[in-house]
Amino acid sequence: DTQMTQSPSSLSAGVGDRVTITCRASQYVSNYLAWFQQKPGKAPKSLIYAASTLQSGVSSKFSGSGSGTDFTLTISNLQPEDFATYYCQQYHIFPPTFGQGTKVEIK
Amino acid sequence: QVQLVESGGGVVQPGTSLSLSCAASGFTFKNYAMHWVRQAPGKGLEWVAVISYDGSNIYYADSVKGRFTISRDNSKNTLYLQMNSLRAEDTAVYFCAKDRVNYQVLYELDYWGQGTLVTVSS
Repeated sequence: DTQMTQSPSSLSAGVGDRVTITCRASQYVSNYLAWFQQKPGKAPKSLIYAASTLQSGVSSKFSGSGSGTDFTLTISNLQPEDFATYYCQQYHIFPPTFGQGTKVEIK
Repeated sequence: QVQLVESGGGVVQPGTSLSLSCAASGFTFKNYAMHWVRQAPGKGLEWVAVISYDGSNIYYADSVKGRFTISRDNSKNTLYLQMNSLRAEDTAVYFCAKDRVNYQVLYELDYWGQGTLVTVSS
C-alpha cells in the first residue's frame, strides 16, 4: 500500500498564526490528494481535494499545494475553531490511504 | 443538507457478526458511490470498502476482504456493512462517507457520518 507520511505529527501554534503541514507519499500519486480536519469525537470534514481545490463551503484560509509525492496544507490566521487533527489521503493508487494525522494544538 | 447517520454498532465477541447501517438524506443517494472508513480508538483513518452507485462495483481493503460485505438499498437510501468473523483489531468507529462525484468511484470523500462504535472483545 502507498504510505502517507505527515509532518510534523503535532505542532503548537497561536491564534493568528499561519501553519503548514506536509504530507509525503511513498509513491507517485499525481494530484489525487485530499485533506481532512477532524475534531475530537467528530467525523472528519473534507477541506481540499485534488491537492488544491477547496471543498464547497470551506474557508479560503485553508489552501493546499503540491503534486507527485509532496504536498502541503497551509492554514492562515489560525482561529480557536481550527485546532484539530488534520489528515491527508491519497486516492491515486488502490487502496486509498491516509496519513497518520497532524494534531494542531494551542500554544 | 447532506446527512449520513450510522447505526448498529455495539460490543460483540470475537468470531461473531454485526451489521451496520447508514441512512442517507439530503442528496440523490442512488447516484453516488458510498464508502466505509474506520478509525481504531486513538488511531488514524483506514478505508474499508466502497460500493458504486448501482452496486455493480465493490472493492475492499485486504484487512476485511472475505469477512465484510458492503451493500446498498437505493430504494431505502441506506448503505450497509455486514461484518463477519470479527476480530479484536476490527474495534473502531465506523464512518460511512459519500463520494464527491455522481456515477463515479473517485474515492473523494466529501461528506461523512458521525460514526458508530464497534467493540470486539471477549
